[in-house]
Amino acid sequence: DAKTTQPTSMDCAEGRAANLPCNHSTISGNEYVYWYRQIHSQGPQYIIHGLKNNETNEMASLIITEDRKSSTLILPHATLRDTAVYYCIVRDSGGGADGLTFGKGTHLIIQP
Amino acid sequence: GAVVSQHPSWVICKSGTSVKIECRSLDFQATTMFWYRQFPKQSLMLMATSNEGSKATYEQGVEKDKFLINHASLTLSTLTVTSAHPEDSSFYICSVLRTAYEQYFGPGTRLTVT
Repeated sequence: DAKTTQPTSMDCAEGRAANLPCNHSTISGNEYVYWYRQIHSQGPQYIIHGLKNNETNEMASLIITEDRKSSTLILPHATLRDTAVYYCIVRDSGGGADGLTFGKGTHLIIQP
Repeated sequence: GAVVSQHPSWVICKSGTSVKIECRSLDFQATTMFWYRQFPKQSLMLMATSNEGSKATYEQGVEKDKFLINHASLTLSTLTVTSAHPEDSSFYICSVLRTAYEQYFGPGTRLTVT
């Protein structure tokens, strides 16, 4: 699985859009970008995933650059409950039966 | 999504005793489940892959005789920490594989060994 780089921490004001970047410059053609988050002392929560097209669901939007070397997770209207560690994970589509490899993630703090 | 439960949510045990943690898939039958461990201020680390009806596959460095995994049904996997020691104190989290693209996690079990 390709390696990802994320900022250690970020702050965002409540009600504003939170934009979390992720670099994955060694991503290969069949690798997907996944985002999970972990609220303190809870299990991780799946957010979204994508291959090359931008994706949107009820939780967030995922913007993947054309060269696929980086992506941004967007939480459109951040709330205090969005404070969590956000993990960007890149993995092979054929690795679906494998466990996930978590990096250090970004600690997003939503400020009131 | 998928609903995954773990029991107990927290447990305290004495050094040398064994502890069993249950992971249940409540709304679908899970052929594959995973067990992770998370030490304070660290990220999750995969311990093992549990497949229904077969032996678990352990990650390098995880002692299979110490962390016994049983996946006897499509809705239940158990992790038994045998002869627990204080260094086994951690947050243990399971996940279920719903599709090749979707993993859903349980709420975790905090183990403290005194």
